Amino acid sequence: DIQMTQFPSTLSASVGDRVTITCRASESFNNRLAWYQQKPGKAPILLIYKASTLQSGVPSRFSGSGSGTEFTLTITSLQPDDFATYYCQQYDGYSLTFGGGTKVEIK
Amino acid sequence: EVQLLESGGGLVQPGGSLRLSCVASGFPPNHAVSWVRQAPGKGLEWVSVIVSDDDTYYAHSVKGRFTISWDNAKSTLYLQMNSLRDEDTAMYYCAKGGGAYTPFDHWGQGTLVTVSS
Repeated sequence: DIQMTQFPSTLSASVGDRVTITCRASESFNNRLAWYQQKPGKAPILLIYKASTLQSGVPSRFSGSGSGTEFTLTITSLQPDDFATYYCQQYDGYSLTFGGGTKVEIK
Repeated sequence: EVQLLESGGGLVQPGGSLRLSCVASGFPPNHAVSWVRQAPGKGLEWVSVIVSDDDTYYAHSVKGRFTISWDNAKSTLYLQMNSLRDEDTAMYYCAKGGGAYTPFDHWGQGTLVTVSS
């Protein structure tokens, strides 16, 4: 199985900051990488798929990049609604795995 | 509009069984659907996906104990969970996707399973 390591596990930032979260895979795969946002008590929401494609309705301040084994989620100009936990996930095959999550907190 | 509505969670003793249901609407019946769980205070863990009646996949942690199935007439996804363990305690989400290289683009609100004596 492909293991996904996400870092940092916690990130303190202010409104307006640029934030970057990294996800590293244990082996290279074909960019079938998604990012999700989850708020307390709520189900996750898909933000980005195929490493860099923005899901319909997601604000353009969210972007994804990367390939092979290293992927990043960037939020330009962090907004109050963006304080949440973010997860990466690989879906390259039928053994699907998530990263451990990154909690974005208010500084 | 895609909608997923889970039910069937509850308190069960270790070694017991439980069946979760997820009523789905708003997408074709042949689309892959999955179960994803989240233990209290922990991250997300994919559990199982059904691509078609005879095409199902499971996480190592549940293989041999859980069975995923789909009732076309009722547009309902099921997860039969047997030989439950303390570590199966989690919120269980139904999610559209997980098959044919698709992400989880819609999620239900979840149903809580607690395994405890």
